[in-house]
Amino acid sequence: NAGVTQTPKFQVLKTGQSMTLQCAQDMNHNSMYWYRQDPGMGLRLIYYSASEGTTDKGEVPNGYNVSRLNKREFSLRLESAAPSQTSVYFCASSEEGSATYEQYFGPGTRLTVT
Amino acid sequence: KQEVTQIPAALSVPEGENLVLNCSFTDSAIYNLQWFRQDPGKGLTSLLLIQSSQREQTSGRLNASLDKSSGRSTLYIAASQPGDSATYLCAVSVMNTGFQKLVFGTGTRLLVSP
Repeated sequence: NAGVTQTPKFQVLKTGQSMTLQCAQDMNHNSMYWYRQDPGMGLRLIYYSASEGTTDKGEVPNGYNVSRLNKREFSLRLESAAPSQTSVYFCASSEEGSATYEQYFGPGTRLTVT
Repeated sequence: KQEVTQIPAALSVPEGENLVLNCSFTDSAIYNLQWFRQDPGKGLTSLLLIQSSQREQTSGRLNASLDKSSGRSTLYIAASQPGDSATYLCAVSVMNTGFQKLVFGTGTRLLVSP
């Protein structure tokens, strides 16, 4: 049981390049999330998806797009990367309607934009 | 807007000492509170989850308490070990239009010296 997986683990981009961060979960969870973590800022929610086919903006959505491809997969796309998007990106999932709403996190993608 | 604060930002203790990490939040309308551990360059590992109706949870040498009315939680680590060295994150779950989101603190970086 892999839980939440993310690819790639590391990525270096030049300003203006695009890329897609992939996330998949095998826990049959309905809800999935993308966060970014910056020094001194804590984790901040970028986008979330309550179910397949639905997505909503979080706290810091500018510069990002997401796709909930199916129940398992939730991708995050940077169309034109900027140095301000240098960060660690975490994907998470949870089961809405569960007793605890506990979120489970992937290992993260470390992105540097030069 | 919910805000989560963790004090201290960093803590250094000798091995064997009992210690307390603090977390405070500004809005008592939370669904649950989670404590996470994050090792350098790694993802988040969930340690304890306290539902809003609970007062504490225990796992091994860890004990987390929750006082919703005062907006505080503590994570107690007994008989600390060098392997406990990590950053500890507190997050509260809030409901927004029927969907739960986590709001994170910035963490306490713990160093346990042999």
